[in-house]
Formats: sequence, C-alpha cells, structure tokens
Amino acid sequence: DIQMTQSPSSLSASVGDRVTITCRASQSIITYLNWYQQKPAKAPKLLIYAASSLQSGVPSRFSGSGSGTDFTLTIASLQPEDFAIYYCQQSYSTPWTFGQGTKVEIK
Amino acid sequence: QVQLVQSGAEVEKPGASVKVSCKASGYIFINYYMHWVRQAPGQGLEWMGIINPSGGSTSYAQKFQGRVSMTRDTSTSTVYMELSSLRSEDTAVYYCARRAGAHLDYWGQGTLVTVSS
Repeated sequence: DIQMTQSPSSLSASVGDRVTITCRASQSIITYLNWYQQKPAKAPKLLIYAASSLQSGVPSRFSGSGSGTDFTLTIASLQPEDFAIYYCQQSYSTPWTFGQGTKVEIK
Repeated sequence: QVQLVQSGAEVEKPGASVKVSCKASGYIFINYYMHWVRQAPGQGLEWMGIINPSGGSTSYAQKFQGRVSMTRDTSTSTVYMELSSLRSEDTAVYYCARRAGAHLDYWGQGTLVTVSS
C-alpha cells in the first residue's frame, strides 16, 4: 500500500496568514493526489484534484502543486472559515490511502 | 443537484452485521463508481472499497476482505455496504462518496455505526 505522510500534523495561524501543508507519498503517484477539507461533524469536501486542479466552487485562495512524491496545499490568505482538518489522498492505486490529516487552528 | 443520502445511525452488538445504504440522486447512477470510506472517532479517513454501480463489480481493501460486501440496486439508485463480524474497533462514521475521474467529488452525510455490548 502507498503510505501518505502529511506535515505538520497541526498548525496555528492567524486570519490573513499564508499556510502551506505538505504531503509525501511512499512512491511516485505522478499527479494522482487530491486534497480534502473536513470540518467538525461534516463529511470531507474536495478542494483540489489531480494535484493542482481547483474543484468547482472552491475559493481561489486554495492551490495545490507537486508531482511524483511531494505535494503542497497552499492557502494564500487564511479566512475564518478555513479552520479545519486537511487530508491528502492518493488515487494512483488501490487501496486509495489518505494522509493522517493536518489540523489548522486559530492562533 | 447531486445528493447522496445515507441511512441513519445504527447500534450493533459485537459479532453482528450492519448494512448501510446510500441513495444517489441528481445524476446518472450507473455512470459513476461509488466508494466507501470510514472514520473512527477522532481519527483519520480509511478507504474501504469501491463498487461499480453499472455491473456491480467490487474491490475491497485487504483489511476488510471477507467481512465487507458492497451491493447496489439500480432500480432505486442505491448502494449498500454491509460489514459483518462487528467488533468495537468498527465503531466509526461510514461515508459513501462518488468517484469522478480519480477523485471523490460528492460525499454522503455519513452514518454512525456504534458497536457496543
């Protein structure tokens, strides 16, 4: 199985900050990498697919980059509604696997 | 609009089985694979498997092989996930999620399954 490792596990940031979350795969997944946002007691929501494509309706302050084994999710200017847990997920091969999550908290 | 509506919370005893449903609407049911993902309390997301609603073929995570069964009913646009031989570690929220390309674009609201004696 492909292991997905996110860093950091948690971070504290202020509204307006630029936030970067990284995700590393245990082998090359080309660009089969997706990012999801999850808020308490809610289902995950797709933000970015295929490493860098913005899902329809998602604000443009979210962006993704990377290929191979190293990927990044960036929030250009953190907004109050962005405090949540973010997960990366590979869809290169089954079983699809998720990172352990990164909790973004208010500083 | 696309909607995935799941069945309600369940409480089961260890050793029992549970069957969760996921009713799809707003799109052509047989055109999109459906995945199941679970989340234990306070934990991350765990992929369980996938079903092709068109032909009914399935693929399961090794961890659940022999205990999980995913089926569908095309007449009602509903997929089902049945998990047997339940143990306390199966207590989790179970989600269905539609696959578009190589990502999961729509998710159900989740179904809490509690396994307790």
